[in-house]
Amino acid sequence: GNSVTQMEGPVTLSEEAFLTINCTYTATGYPSLFWYVQYPGEGLQLLLKATKADDKGSNKGFEATYRKETTSFHLEKGSVQVSDSAVYFCALSASQGGKLIFGQGTELSVKP
Amino acid sequence: GAGVSQSPSNKVTEKGKDVELRCDPISGHTALYWYRQSLGQGLEFLIYFQGNSAPDKSGLPSDRFSAERTGGSVSTLTIQRTQQEDSAVYLCASSLLLTGGQETQYFGPGTRLLVL
Repeated sequence: GNSVTQMEGPVTLSEEAFLTINCTYTATGYPSLFWYVQYPGEGLQLLLKATKADDKGSNKGFEATYRKETTSFHLEKGSVQVSDSAVYFCALSASQGGKLIFGQGTELSVKP
Repeated sequence: GAGVSQSPSNKVTEKGKDVELRCDPISGHTALYWYRQSLGQGLEFLIYFQGNSAPDKSGLPSDRFSAERTGGSVSTLTIQRTQQEDSAVYLCASSLLLTGGQETQYFGPGTRLLVL
């Protein structure tokens, strides 16, 4: 079946450090891929997405590239800020109905 | 504009009682989804509606769980005879389902359910 695996947290970084959160997937067909973020005390919100191979999603300085050959969608940011502290979820949608299958989430803590 | 709203925000109930959770999607969104977020299981899909019909109920964990949607808008998730393992945050999301899964889903704040 379809599944998403992302690196376990928590991840602790200093401000301005480089961030990578790994995400790999298993899916039949051609899924759409998403990163959602959950800030403390807030609901899930879309960070970025990519709907076909080699697409790059980007938002708020975060980027992720849909790599079909490695079935990956790693999240990167060149310089993290304290305000980026949150839980990040990688997800895929592979069905006509669009249901999301999520990874287990990675908690990021950025220290000043 | 208004986002997805859910009520109640918190619900504490006793084991064996029934509970109803409500979701108001973004106006005009034809697709509505229910998910559950728990410590042990992460974020799990429960059910999805297109209009008032539910083409995919595959995530409902048992026949104690049911959901309906009326008027293509509000949805209610009902859990009968609640068990302690039902304790979780129940999330609702809506989207414009136009091209098979590419659309962004907008999530509500969730209902935190605690079964004592």
